[in-house]
Order: sequence, then structure tokens, then C-alpha cells
Amino acid sequence: KAGVTQTPRYLIKTRGQQVTLSCSPISGHRSVSWYQQTPGQGLQFLFEYFSETQRNKGNFPGRFSGRQFSNSRSEMNVSTLELGDSALYLCASSLEDGIYGYTFGSGTRLTVV
Amino acid sequence: DAKTTQPNSMESNEEEPVHLPCNHSTISGTDYIHWYRQLPSQGPEYVIHGLTSNVNNRMASLAIAEDRKSSTLILHRATLRDAAVYYCILMLGGTSYGKLTFGQGTILTVHP
Repeated sequence: KAGVTQTPRYLIKTRGQQVTLSCSPISGHRSVSWYQQTPGQGLQFLFEYFSETQRNKGNFPGRFSGRQFSNSRSEMNVSTLELGDSALYLCASSLEDGIYGYTFGSGTRLTVV
Repeated sequence: DAKTTQPNSMESNEEEPVHLPCNHSTISGTDYIHWYRQLPSQGPEYVIHGLTSNVNNRMASLAIAEDRKSSTLILHRATLRDAAVYYCILMLGGTSYGKLTFGQGTILTVHP
């Protein structure tokens, strides 16, 4: 079956701009989570959506937001980009509670210049 | 979140078994022990999970101490493709809501 698909794979944006990243989960998976990975901070949880509702949120500023559509696809948006937002953004999907594991996508590499 | 402690790095030779340890002395009764690995330039990959009993799957085995304060991921015959960062994560059953708390993990180097 198809894995988790993230688009685009690479993105270069200018400071102050906004960006939208997309994630298509595995068919049948209703939970979608987002993570930020940087060399300094490692993997950090951003937020999770289930059935179009945000169920959990990490410790990130309000510039980071997301949403989930009725087909479980999810998008995350970062507004007013800062240099420090340069990172690999990963999306993961799972069945309802993730007990049997999360499947991650290959990520979107965002570079802010 | 309950904390896990792993060695920063380990080395192995190809086709030899590898035992990756993880300490989680503050684990609660409802925490599941999950292992993920991340190969270079890829997202993390689920390896195995367990609650109290030892577990086996096609990728690895998970040995859980009787008091559950430590666990060991066992790769029975390491290959060069097993070179990755391995993360041991505690996940509260049913209420984690997508949140996996990744530590620094163990960097596994496999020598040919």
C-alpha cells in the first residue's frame, strides 16, 4: 500500500513569507501528526489531528498551524517565516491511537533565507 | 513524559547480533515501549513495540526487563542497512494523541 506522502520535498522561502506543507496519510489512517527536526533540537512534536480536530499540540508559537480535511489529508502552515524555521518537517499517520506504530513520510526540507 | 536513557553510539560488525539498551526507570504501568529508527535522509521508521512481554517481529526482537525499567532492542544479524539512529520511546497507551517524545537516540554504526 502507498506510504505517507509529503509534498513538496524541498522548499526555499524568504524570511517573512508564509508556507504550506501537505501530507497524505496511509489509506485508512485517521490520525496525522507533524514534527519538526533540526540538528540542534532533534525531533519535536508540533501537533496532531484526528477526524479534522486538533487533539494535541506541542510547544510551538502560533505561527505554526495546521488543519485536516475530511479525507484525512493534512496541511501545516507557517506564517512570517524566520531563519530558525529552516528544518525537516515530518508527517506521520496512524490508526486511532498509534499503539501499533506511526508511519512517517520522508519529510519536506524547508530552507528560509 | 517519562524519560528514556540510551547510549549515544554503538558499533557492530555486519552479520553479528546487536543489543541496543534503553533505561526507563520512571515508566508507568500504562506506558508502551516503542522503538523507531531513522536512516539517513529518511523519516523515522517504526521497528517494534511492547508492554510487558518480549516481542518478536521480522525486523527485530524486544526484550523487556521483568520490572519494566529497562529494555533491549535486538537485531539478530546486523546489515549495513541497519546503520541508523535508534530511538527508544515511551508512549502512554490510548492517550498519546500523536505525540512521540524523541530523545537523542543511539547512533548505530555497522562495519562491513
